[in-house]
Amino acid sequence: DTGVSQDPRHKITKRGQNVTFRCDPISEHNRLYWYRQTLGQGPEFLTYFQNEAQLEKSRLLSDRFSAERPKGSFSTLEIQRTEQGDSAMYLCASSPIGQGNDNEQFFGPGTRLTVL
Amino acid sequence: DAKTTQPPSMDCAEGRAANLPCNHSTISGNEYVYWYRQIHSQGPQYIIHGLKNNETNEMASLIITEDRKSSTLILPHATLRDTAVYYCIVRVVGTGGFKTIFGAGTRLFVKA
Repeated sequence: DTGVSQDPRHKITKRGQNVTFRCDPISEHNRLYWYRQTLGQGPEFLTYFQNEAQLEKSRLLSDRFSAERPKGSFSTLEIQRTEQGDSAMYLCASSPIGQGNDNEQFFGPGTRLTVL
Repeated sequence: DAKTTQPPSMDCAEGRAANLPCNHSTISGNEYVYWYRQIHSQGPQYIIHGLKNNETNEMASLIITEDRKSSTLILPHATLRDTAVYYCIVRVVGTGGFKTIFGAGTRLFVKA
C-alpha cells in the first residue's frame, strides 16, 4: 500500500501525559498537512510543511502542540500535557508539487486520540 | 478561502443519481471548487475539482453555474458505498498556503 499511513491508529491517554503521532506521506510528496477533526465536524487545518519547512500554523496549534518533519519525509505531531479537549481524530495528508493537480491532498486513516 | 454552504443531510435511493448542491457566492476568480468525501472512520477522499467548466471523472460529475456562485456534485448511480459526508471546498490552486477549510459537509444516505 503506497498511501499515507499514520501510527498509531488509536491512542488512549490520561490527562497531562504527552503523546506523539507519526505520519508517513506518499513517497515524493513534498507537502504534508495535519488536521484535527472532532465528532460531527469537518477537519480543521493545523499546520503544513513543504519538505522540511513548516510554512503555516493555525491558531488552533497552541504551545502544547509541536510538529516536525526533520528530513522532509515522515512527520511527527506531539501534544504535551494533554487535555480532554484534545480528544479528536488527527489526520495527516500529503500532496505533490509541480503538477497541475498539486492541490489534491491524499489523506491517511487518522489517529484517534482519547484523553481520559 | 471563501466559505461554502451545503445542506446538512440528503437521502438518495440506490441506483439513482445523487445531486449534492453547494453555494459559494463569495468565490474569487482564481478559486477552484473541490469536492471531497469522508466515509465513516476514514480520512477524506478527493473526488473532483473544477474552475469554470463542468468536469467529469470516473467517480462523479461537477456542474458549476456560469456565475460560479454555486455548483452541484452528481453521483450518477449512487450505491450504498457512497454513503458518506461530502465536503465542498473552494481554494486557490498553485499558491503558497494550502490550508483547506472544510465546513460541516452534507451527510448523504444512500438507501436500498
